[in-house]
Amino acid sequence: RKEVEQDPGPFNVPEGATVAFNCTYSNSASQSFFWYRQDCRKEPKLLMSVYSSGNEDGRFTAQLNRASQYISLLIRDSKLSDSATYLCVVPRSGGYNKLIFGAGTRLAVHP
Amino acid sequence: DAGVTQSPTHLIKTRGQHVTLRCSPISGHKSVSWYQQVLGQGPQFIFQYYEKEERGRGNFPDRFSARQFPNYSSELNVNALLLGDSALYLCASSSSEGVNYGYTFGSGTRLTVV
Repeated sequence: RKEVEQDPGPFNVPEGATVAFNCTYSNSASQSFFWYRQDCRKEPKLLMSVYSSGNEDGRFTAQLNRASQYISLLIRDSKLSDSATYLCVVPRSGGYNKLIFGAGTRLAVHP
Repeated sequence: DAGVTQSPTHLIKTRGQHVTLRCSPISGHKSVSWYQQVLGQGPQFIFQYYEKEERGRGNFPDRFSARQFPNYSSELNVNALLLGDSALYLCASSSSEGVNYGYTFGSGTRLTVV
């Protein structure tokens, strides 16, 4: 089983739609989580951090379910500019530190 | 403030050659990490350096090596290039050794091995 798993999509949604992505992780000791956004052929950029049960920033809401070991990202009122790949990221600490990335979920918002 | 800068942006190399990729972290950041992103996958951890010392190494062959300089910039070297080394190489910097506050990535070096 992969350490971080995401539905690869693509999710094709019309403008204004609400879309949700799920991510599962295997390390129950993980304390913090991130969602990164990556545009085609660009670097990943930090979208949201999740340290407790959830986080909200405008149209974006991230929720954490520790018991089930999954994180979700909800995007409301989708815009064309939201089209990108969304990467679920789990930090691993101890000994050395690294980010463990899921393979990403592709979102395409159409007019 | 300049972000994380990487050079070159694109590179084409032949199998068997050697390549050096460079990264300058955000000013004041002492930690630099390298990631490899193959098309269709998420980035994979290669190295972390903090205060000029290697702190961690991912599951990559010895052909991959790196170092960090006194000004905290870093180089990633790959010897005996294989076709499978074709990828986007990302450098990330952070102010601390820890990872719980996320990283800022540079725009990457796209390496094509032919």
